[in-house]
Amino acid sequence: DTGVSQDPRHKITKRGQNVTFRCDPISEHNRLYWYRQTLGQGPEFLTYFQNEAQLEKSRLLSDRFSAERPKGSFSTLEIQRTEQGDSAMYLCAGTEGLRETQYFGPGTRLLVL
Amino acid sequence: GQNIDQPTEMTATEGAIVQINCTYQTSGFNGLFWYQQHAGEAPTFLSYNVLDGLEEKGRFSSFLSRSKGYSYLLLKELQMKDSASYLCAVRDRQGSYIPTFGRGTSLIVHP
Repeated sequence: DTGVSQDPRHKITKRGQNVTFRCDPISEHNRLYWYRQTLGQGPEFLTYFQNEAQLEKSRLLSDRFSAERPKGSFSTLEIQRTEQGDSAMYLCAGTEGLRETQYFGPGTRLLVL
Repeated sequence: GQNIDQPTEMTATEGAIVQINCTYQTSGFNGLFWYQQHAGEAPTFLSYNVLDGLEEKGRFSSFLSRSKGYSYLLLKELQMKDSASYLCAVRDRQGSYIPTFGRGTSLIVHP
């Protein structure tokens, strides 16, 4: 158990609906990352925060995606007007130590019908 | 950009030793990670290499050659619970904390 939690663990939604996911890292994690993973692929970087500042966003992150980390603790990832191609596992990771090792939460599995 | 290459699938026998290779082509290098991921679960950290050589941790060891753009993960005394996907991830530039993941190698351990 890495201490990183994500909510919900599973989400089924209809195309066109908005969804929001939450990630709670542990207090030592000053950097927080969001990834998306589809079957048979490794995690793909979406965005990351250092404290409350969003420092980098992937070109994969369309304008339908937005992420926040308002107080430098928990983070939310919102997807607006979901599409079937958004179906994936959404992973959150916090980093620790000099090596900046990433510790992942259990993920939120999204299915868009 | 980055190119990280791992075999898609490997099989091995319980009790044996298996070596999972990872090759990468990056413009820079700032560390390589190995993660284990069981089906339907999140990746869990196994090892980190930033200097050439072998890092040993129990049944698992990881090797790095920066000049060859090559790493391997060595698993000894295989157990059935080692059946999982093994992900190689590389940070490609100084000052960047973002690793890029390979597609993973699915390891199947059979009795």
